[in-house]
Amino acid sequence: GDSVTQMEGPVTLSEEAFLTINCTYTATGYPSLFWYVQYPGEGLQLLLKATKADDKGSNKGFEATYRKETTSFHLEKGSVQVSDSAVYFCALSRSDNYQLIWGAGTKLIIKP
Amino acid sequence: DVKVTQSSRYLVKRTGEKVFLECVQDMDHENMFWYRQDPGLGLRLIYFSYDVKMKEKGDIPEGYSVSREKKERFSLILESASTNQTSMYLCASSLWTGGRYEQYFGPGTRLTVT
Repeated sequence: GDSVTQMEGPVTLSEEAFLTINCTYTATGYPSLFWYVQYPGEGLQLLLKATKADDKGSNKGFEATYRKETTSFHLEKGSVQVSDSAVYFCALSRSDNYQLIWGAGTKLIIKP
Repeated sequence: DVKVTQSSRYLVKRTGEKVFLECVQDMDHENMFWYRQDPGLGLRLIYFSYDVKMKEKGDIPEGYSVSREKKERFSLILESASTNQTSMYLCASSLWTGGRYEQYFGPGTRLTVT
Protein backbone atom coordinates (compact mmCIF):
# COMPACT_ATOMS: atom_id res chain seq x y z
CA GLY A 1 0.00 0.00 0.00
CA ASP A 2 0.90 3.66 -0.15
CA SER A 3 3.25 5.00 2.48
CA VAL A 4 5.29 8.05 3.45
CA THR A 5 8.57 7.89 5.36
CA GLN A 6 10.11 10.88 7.07
CA MET A 7 13.39 11.28 8.85
CA GLU A 8 13.12 10.81 12.57
CA GLY A 9 13.38 13.75 14.86
CA PRO A 10 13.95 15.79 16.71
CA VAL A 11 16.13 17.79 14.39
CA THR A 12 17.99 20.48 16.32
CA LEU A 13 19.64 23.37 14.50
CA SER A 14 21.01 26.77 15.30
CA GLU A 15 19.34 29.90 13.95
CA GLU A 16 20.34 30.70 10.34
CA ALA A 17 21.37 27.11 9.63
CA PHE A 18 20.32 25.28 6.46
CA LEU A 19 17.44 22.84 6.91
CA THR A 20 16.65 19.61 5.15
CA ILE A 21 13.92 17.24 6.29
CA ASN A 22 13.82 14.09 4.19
CA CYS A 23 10.59 12.57 2.90
CA THR A 24 10.22 9.57 0.61
CA TYR A 25 7.06 7.91 -0.55
CA THR A 26 5.66 4.73 -2.05
CA ALA A 27 2.55 5.05 -4.17
CA THR A 28 0.96 3.82 -7.35
CA GLY A 29 0.20 6.31 -10.04
CA TYR A 30 0.98 9.99 -9.67
CA PRO A 31 0.17 11.28 -6.21
CA SER A 32 0.19 14.89 -5.08
CA LEU A 33 2.62 15.67 -2.28
CA PHE A 34 2.29 18.03 0.66
CA TRP A 35 4.16 19.45 3.60
CA TYR A 36 2.10 20.49 6.61
CA VAL A 37 3.40 22.33 9.68
CA GLN A 38 2.08 22.14 13.24
CA TYR A 39 3.15 24.88 15.64
CA PRO A 40 3.01 24.07 19.37
CA GLY A 41 -0.54 23.66 20.63
CA GLU A 42 -2.14 24.19 17.23
CA GLY A 43 -3.64 22.24 14.36
CA LEU A 44 -1.87 21.49 11.10
CA GLN A 45 -1.44 24.10 8.39
CA LEU A 46 -0.72 23.40 4.75
CA LEU A 47 2.80 24.70 4.11
CA LEU A 48 3.37 23.78 0.47
CA LYS A 49 2.35 21.30 -2.20
CA ALA A 50 3.33 19.83 -5.57
CA THR A 51 1.15 17.92 -7.98
CA LYS A 52 3.49 16.44 -10.58
CA ALA A 53 7.06 15.43 -11.17
CA ASP A 54 9.62 18.26 -11.03
CA ASP A 55 7.09 20.69 -9.52
CA LYS A 56 8.57 22.86 -6.80
CA GLY A 57 6.34 23.97 -3.97
CA SER A 58 7.39 26.99 -1.95
CA ASN A 59 6.09 29.11 0.92
CA LYS A 60 7.56 31.20 3.75
CA GLY A 61 11.10 30.47 2.54
CA PHE A 62 10.55 26.71 2.50
CA GLU A 63 10.87 24.69 -0.69
CA ALA A 64 10.36 21.09 -1.79
CA THR A 65 10.73 19.51 -5.22
CA TYR A 66 8.71 16.50 -6.36
CA ARG A 67 11.33 13.97 -7.53
CA LYS A 68 9.65 11.00 -9.16
CA GLU A 69 12.90 9.23 -10.00
CA THR A 70 13.86 9.09 -6.31
CA THR A 71 10.26 9.14 -4.97
CA SER A 72 11.21 12.01 -2.69
CA PHE A 73 9.87 15.38 -1.55
CA HIS A 74 12.50 16.78 0.79
CA LEU A 75 11.76 20.01 2.64
CA GLU A 76 14.48 22.68 2.61
CA LYS A 77 15.02 26.17 3.97
CA GLY A 78 18.14 28.23 3.54
CA SER A 79 18.15 30.01 6.89
CA VAL A 80 15.91 28.87 9.72
CA GLN A 81 14.55 31.04 12.50
CA VAL A 82 13.48 30.21 16.04
CA SER A 83 9.88 30.73 14.90
CA ASP A 84 10.24 27.75 12.53
CA SER A 85 10.31 25.40 15.52
CA ALA A 86 7.38 23.06 14.91
CA VAL A 87 6.45 19.57 13.78
CA TYR A 88 6.53 19.03 10.01
CA PHE A 89 4.44 16.36 8.29
CA CYS A 90 4.88 15.03 4.78
CA ALA A 91 1.77 13.59 3.11
CA LEU A 92 0.53 12.27 -0.20
CA SER A 93 -2.83 12.34 -1.88
CA ARG A 94 -4.10 10.17 -4.69
CA SER A 95 -6.85 11.43 -6.95
CA ASP A 96 -8.93 8.28 -6.36
CA ASN A 97 -8.90 8.44 -2.55
CA TYR A 98 -10.31 10.96 -0.08
CA GLN A 99 -7.67 10.19 2.45
CA LEU A 100 -4.18 11.55 2.80
CA ILE A 101 -1.34 9.21 3.68
CA TRP A 102 0.78 10.78 6.42
CA GLY A 103 4.37 10.53 7.48
CA ALA A 104 5.11 10.25 11.20
CA GLY A 105 6.13 13.90 11.54
CA THR A 106 9.52 15.43 12.27
CA LYS A 107 10.00 17.76 15.21
CA LEU A 108 12.26 20.71 14.43
CA ILE A 109 13.92 22.68 17.22
CA ILE A 110 15.76 25.89 16.39
CA LYS A 111 18.07 27.31 19.04
CA PRO A 112 18.96 31.02 19.12
CA ASP B 1 -9.66 31.43 3.81
CA VAL B 2 -11.00 28.06 4.83
CA LYS B 3 -12.07 28.01 8.44
CA VAL B 4 -12.42 24.84 10.46
CA THR B 5 -13.45 25.35 14.07
CA GLN B 6 -13.62 22.91 16.96
CA SER B 7 -15.90 23.39 19.92
CA SER B 8 -13.23 23.30 22.62
CA ARG B 9 -9.46 23.73 22.79
CA TYR B 10 -9.20 21.89 26.11
CA LEU B 11 -11.59 19.43 27.69
CA VAL B 12 -11.42 17.40 30.89
CA LYS B 13 -13.86 14.53 31.36
CA ARG B 14 -14.28 11.65 33.77
CA THR B 15 -14.05 7.98 32.91
CA GLY B 16 -17.40 6.68 31.69
CA GLU B 17 -18.77 10.05 30.57
CA LYS B 18 -20.23 10.52 27.12
CA VAL B 19 -18.14 13.11 25.26
CA PHE B 20 -19.05 15.12 22.19
CA LEU B 21 -16.43 16.86 20.10
CA GLU B 22 -17.84 19.20 17.49
CA CYS B 23 -16.26 20.41 14.27
CA VAL B 24 -17.63 22.98 11.85
CA GLN B 25 -16.28 24.07 8.47
CA ASP B 26 -17.46 27.05 6.50
CA MET B 27 -16.38 26.15 2.96
CA ASP B 28 -18.99 23.65 1.84
CA HIS B 29 -16.45 20.81 1.74
CA GLU B 30 -17.78 17.34 1.04
CA ASN B 31 -15.29 15.41 3.12
CA MET B 32 -14.55 15.69 6.82
CA PHE B 33 -12.18 13.73 9.05
CA TRP B 34 -11.38 13.04 12.68
CA TYR B 35 -7.84 12.18 13.70
CA ARG B 36 -6.15 11.62 17.00
CA GLN B 37 -2.55 12.58 17.59
CA ASP B 38 -0.35 10.98 20.22
CA PRO B 39 3.38 11.39 20.85
CA GLY B 40 5.37 8.96 18.74
CA LEU B 41 2.29 7.70 16.87
CA GLY B 42 1.70 10.56 14.45
CA LEU B 43 -1.77 11.15 13.04
CA ARG B 44 -4.24 8.28 13.12
CA LEU B 45 -7.55 8.43 11.32
CA ILE B 46 -10.59 7.60 13.44
CA TYR B 47 -13.49 8.20 11.06
CA PHE B 48 -14.25 10.17 7.97
CA SER B 49 -17.37 11.28 6.15
CA TYR B 50 -17.73 11.92 2.44
CA ASP B 51 -21.28 13.25 2.53
CA VAL B 52 -24.10 14.06 4.90
CA LYS B 53 -25.09 10.95 6.89
CA MET B 54 -22.27 8.97 5.25
CA LYS B 55 -19.32 7.75 7.26
CA GLU B 56 -16.48 5.30 7.03
CA LYS B 57 -14.20 3.83 9.65
CA GLY B 58 -10.61 4.84 9.66
CA ASP B 59 -7.71 3.02 11.25
CA ILE B 60 -8.78 3.22 14.90
CA PRO B 61 -12.60 3.50 15.17
CA GLU B 62 -13.01 1.38 18.30
CA GLY B 63 -14.58 3.32 21.15
CA TYR B 64 -15.75 6.14 18.90
CA SER B 65 -18.75 7.00 16.77
CA VAL B 66 -19.53 9.96 14.54
CA SER B 67 -22.48 11.96 13.31
CA ARG B 68 -22.90 14.14 10.28
CA GLU B 69 -26.43 15.53 10.02
CA LYS B 70 -25.43 18.70 8.20
CA LYS B 71 -22.72 19.22 5.62
CA GLU B 72 -20.79 21.74 7.68
CA ARG B 73 -20.76 19.83 10.96
CA PHE B 74 -19.03 16.59 11.91
CA SER B 75 -19.22 15.32 15.48
CA LEU B 76 -17.03 12.76 17.20
CA ILE B 77 -18.63 10.88 20.08
CA LEU B 78 -16.93 8.94 22.83
CA GLU B 79 -19.76 6.78 24.17
CA SER B 80 -17.97 5.99 27.42
CA ALA B 81 -14.71 7.83 27.81
CA SER B 82 -11.68 5.92 29.01
CA THR B 83 -8.25 7.11 30.12
CA ASN B 84 -6.63 5.67 26.97
CA GLN B 85 -8.66 8.17 24.96
CA THR B 86 -6.71 11.05 26.45
CA SER B 87 -5.24 12.65 23.36
CA MET B 88 -5.21 15.56 20.94
CA TYR B 89 -8.16 15.34 18.53
CA LEU B 90 -7.91 17.04 15.17
CA CYS B 91 -10.73 17.69 12.74
CA ALA B 92 -10.15 18.35 9.05
CA SER B 93 -12.18 19.00 5.94
CA SER B 94 -11.00 18.50 2.40
CA LEU B 95 -11.36 20.20 -0.90
CA TRP B 96 -11.02 18.68 -4.35
CA THR B 97 -8.87 21.10 -6.30
CA GLY B 98 -6.53 20.73 -9.26
CA GLY B 99 -6.93 16.96 -9.36
CA ARG B 100 -6.14 16.33 -5.70
CA TYR B 101 -7.62 16.49 -2.22
CA GLU B 102 -6.22 19.09 0.18
CA GLN B 103 -7.04 18.91 3.86
CA TYR B 104 -7.62 21.87 6.15
CA PHE B 105 -7.42 21.46 9.90
CA GLY B 106 -9.03 22.93 12.97
CA PRO B 107 -6.97 24.02 16.00
CA GLY B 108 -7.44 20.72 17.82
CA THR B 109 -9.07 19.67 21.09
CA ARG B 110 -6.84 18.38 23.85
CA LEU B 111 -8.97 15.90 25.77
CA THR B 112 -7.98 14.59 29.17
CA VAL B 113 -9.97 11.70 30.65
CA THR B 114 -9.42 11.22 34.38
